[in-house]
Amino acid sequence: GENVEQHPSTLSVQEGDSAVIKCTYSDSASNYFPWYKQELGKRPQLIIDIRSNVGEKKDQRIAVTLNKTAKHFSLHITETQPEDSAVYFCASQPYPGNKLTFGTGTQLKVEL
Amino acid sequence: NAGVTQTPKFRVLKTGQSMTLLCAQDMNHEYMYWYRQDPGMGLRLIHYSVGEGTTAKGEVPDGYNVSRLKKQNFLLGLESAAPSQTSVYFCASEAGELFFGEGSRLTVL
Repeated sequence: GENVEQHPSTLSVQEGDSAVIKCTYSDSASNYFPWYKQELGKRPQLIIDIRSNVGEKKDQRIAVTLNKTAKHFSLHITETQPEDSAVYFCASQPYPGNKLTFGTGTQLKVEL
Repeated sequence: NAGVTQTPKFRVLKTGQSMTLLCAQDMNHEYMYWYRQDPGMGLRLIHYSVGEGTTAKGEVPDGYNVSRLKKQNFLLGLESAAPSQTSVYFCASEAGELFFGEGSRLTVL
């Protein structure tokens, strides 16, 4: 089955700096890669996703890049703010309707 | 439109007791999932359903059973709870993206 590895497990940055979280996947058939954000005590929520026919996608301060050859994808957050502090999960899916496989999460802390 | 609703939100059980977690969604989604979340281990899939009357095993199904008798409901059962099942349980339904419930925190003593 699919295996998703996520690094780092914790990340601390100063407010205004950039943060990068990286994931690798094993199943070459995977073609959908979402990122979920989970604030303390809350449910995970989708923040951005990318499909295999696109190499990069941006949404304001958040961007995701995908390298299908190397089977890895990354989340980039620029100009970090305290409200970005949360756990971030990457995931991969072979095709719509097939189950997602999640990474183990990255605890991001943005310090003032 | 409530989205995905889980009940109960908190529960404490003794080892060997049984209980059922209920997940209800009002978005008419076919796909529904049960995950457990443990520190450092992310979200692990317990069971899932691709439609009314169907269920399938996920990554960590042992000790759990599920039923999907109605499209809007997905039940997760623990027949004989064990301390290893202490966790936060999330239900989700899917329509392109996953919509999660608020979570159910279960403690087994």
